[in-house]
Amino acid sequence: ETGVTQSPTHLIKTRGQQVTLRCSSQSGHNTVSWYQQALGQGPQFIFQYYREEENGRGNFPPRFSGLQFPNYSSELNVNALELDDSALYLCASSLAGTGNTIYFGEGSWLTVV
Amino acid sequence: SQQGEEDPQALSIQEGENATMNCSYKTSINNLQWYRQNSGRGLVHLILIRSNEREKHSGRLRVTLDTSKKSSSLLITASRAADTASYFCATAPNAGGTSYGKLTFGQGTILTVHP
Repeated sequence: ETGVTQSPTHLIKTRGQQVTLRCSSQSGHNTVSWYQQALGQGPQFIFQYYREEENGRGNFPPRFSGLQFPNYSSELNVNALELDDSALYLCASSLAGTGNTIYFGEGSWLTVV
Repeated sequence: SQQGEEDPQALSIQEGENATMNCSYKTSINNLQWYRQNSGRGLVHLILIRSNEREKHSGRLRVTLDTSKKSSSLLITASRAADTASYFCATAPNAGGTSYGKLTFGQGTILTVHP
């Protein structure tokens, strides 16, 4: 039990649609990051939020966007869904600063048809 | 892109045996973390080792880090069927500033422990 909760656990969307995934960070954690994990691959960093601002981004297009709220919960939004967006989306939280453990939620499985 | 490479990609052992998984990476790191993932589920944090540490233990887990070779190993002793999972190493950059939440993962090692 990491204290990081994500919703929904599974969802199916049609190509071209938009999706919002939600995450509640572990209590006291002020940094949230999002990862995409395709089947059979390791997770890939999408972006990170600290104090409600994006402050680090991986190699993902602008149609991947996010929000962090004052209570440190977060959303991942993906517009104009493509078939390749089908993956497990993982939220992770931590305290700001190097050397801190990063805790992951159970993930949201997104299938784009 | 994946920074690390894990070796082997798959490992099959009998209960009670030891399992060793290796991880190599390419750039300077602040720390390296090992995670476990049961099929289709989230990542469970196992252990964090900092760049100035060489070895760390946690229960049946032993992690080593060799920054000169840019490699790490995870040893699980006296394995159990419940250890069956995928294991990932992930590196945190030594870039300071705002990069602390960005982990770079390897492809993972699939461990199967037969009862």
